[in-house]
Amino acid sequence: EPEVTQTPSHQVTQMGQEVILRCVPISNHLYFYWYRQILGQKVEFLVSFYNNEISEKSEIFDDQFSVERPDGSNFTLKIRSTKLEDSAMYFCASSKDGSSYNEQFFGPGTRLTVL
Amino acid sequence: KQEVTQIPAALSVPEGENLVLNCSFTDSAIYNLQWFRQDPGKGLTSLLLIQSSQREQTSGRLNASLDKSSGRSTLYIAASQPGDSATYLCAVVGGTASKLTFGTGTRLQVTL
Repeated sequence: EPEVTQTPSHQVTQMGQEVILRCVPISNHLYFYWYRQILGQKVEFLVSFYNNEISEKSEIFDDQFSVERPDGSNFTLKIRSTKLEDSAMYFCASSKDGSSYNEQFFGPGTRLTVL
Repeated sequence: KQEVTQIPAALSVPEGENLVLNCSFTDSAIYNLQWFRQDPGKGLTSLLLIQSSQREQTSGRLNASLDKSSGRSTLYIAASQPGDSATYLCAVVGGTASKLTFGTGTRLQVTL
């Protein structure tokens, strides 16, 4: 069964460093998302992406964050200068299209630890 | 702004019991509601998707209901097993965007 994959599973970085989290969405899906979950808190929406541009972003997704689809399979989230409060589990998700009726499928997550 | 609440926050039941998890949302203008399972330190596994026009969905021992007008959904788990132990999250899609708004989850433990 097709699934969303994410790499790495765990990333440790120093404050101020840049990190890139990678995702491979399900192959025939067109709409991609990033969510994050700070330990003990709710899963929060960061950004949605369709047709090589951002569809919607949350207040969390400030200028330190960017997303890219560098090729036909990968979808990346870059954090330019990490802060301690960026430590969280980051989830990538995909859906067939941008219809609000479509099911979203999540990857296993990348645990980001900022020291 | 949509708010999603799940009650109870934690639940412990003996194996074999049937149980109900509750989810409520403040804005009834939703497109769909998804129930997820999350194991400790792991990703989100989609269990059931209910469209706004549907009243319920079933998958195996799981049954989810939706009452959009009252802003409520329930997840019924029949004949619970220790392997059902996990955190269960509900999330809704509403408004003009397709983003999910999540609840805080119910941590379920099924004991032998």
